[in-house]
Amino acid sequence: QSVLTQPPSVSGAPGQGVTISCTGSSSNIGAGYDVHWYQQLPGTAPKLLIYGNNNRPSGVPDRFSGSKSGTSASLAITGLQAEDEADYYCQTYDSSLSEYVFGTGTKVTVL
Amino acid sequence: EVQLLESGGGLVPRGGSLRLSCAASGLTFTSYAMSWVRQAPGKGLEWVSGISHSNSGDTTYYADSVKGRFTISRDSSKETVYLQMNRLRAEDTAVYYCATFSGSRSSDWFFDYWGQGTPVTVSS
Repeated sequence: QSVLTQPPSVSGAPGQGVTISCTGSSSNIGAGYDVHWYQQLPGTAPKLLIYGNNNRPSGVPDRFSGSKSGTSASLAITGLQAEDEADYYCQTYDSSLSEYVFGTGTKVTVL
Repeated sequence: EVQLLESGGGLVPRGGSLRLSCAASGLTFTSYAMSWVRQAPGKGLEWVSGISHSNSGDTTYYADSVKGRFTISRDSSKETVYLQMNRLRAEDTAVYYCATFSGSRSSDWFFDYWGQGTPVTVSS
């Protein structure tokens, strides 16, 4: 059971925007640890999408953005494209577990 | 270009052992902390183990689910990180990914480069 909860799925039409939530607690996101986001295309390894709450690695389009507030974080995708269909995971550190933890994952479908 | 190439996966009986290897290239190996992350069939990502960069004395970290059974190590001369897995259980069946750890402090580490993964199947 993950300590970070994400919606199982979100969907949107091409060109629209979607937001994925990542809900944690006072021992992880609420403790001030950075939140990071990964994209996993079907059949491939995960790829870093956002690090340090709201920073994009080189090559990641600015359609992807991250934010954090309290015990939650969010990933926003604007201008949805077919190639954005993938699973998305949030990740942070949990001080109660002394472990790096991932969210439950969200499947994004482009209608 | 950073490349991480895992090897050593396969089919192993319950209670058996396996050693995974991850050969790194295209980066200053001694400056990177390294980790293993696994993904069971049809499931999400699970962090397994990590080791600090060589300048920090090779501190090791483990998820509770593998503590006492798995051992992570690194060989800077071969630019390779290993995961020795003992007393394997059916629930250890997964694709195991090698990834670099980056971040200003260990509690903010994230996984920036990933290998393609090596599958491990524990037969029951």
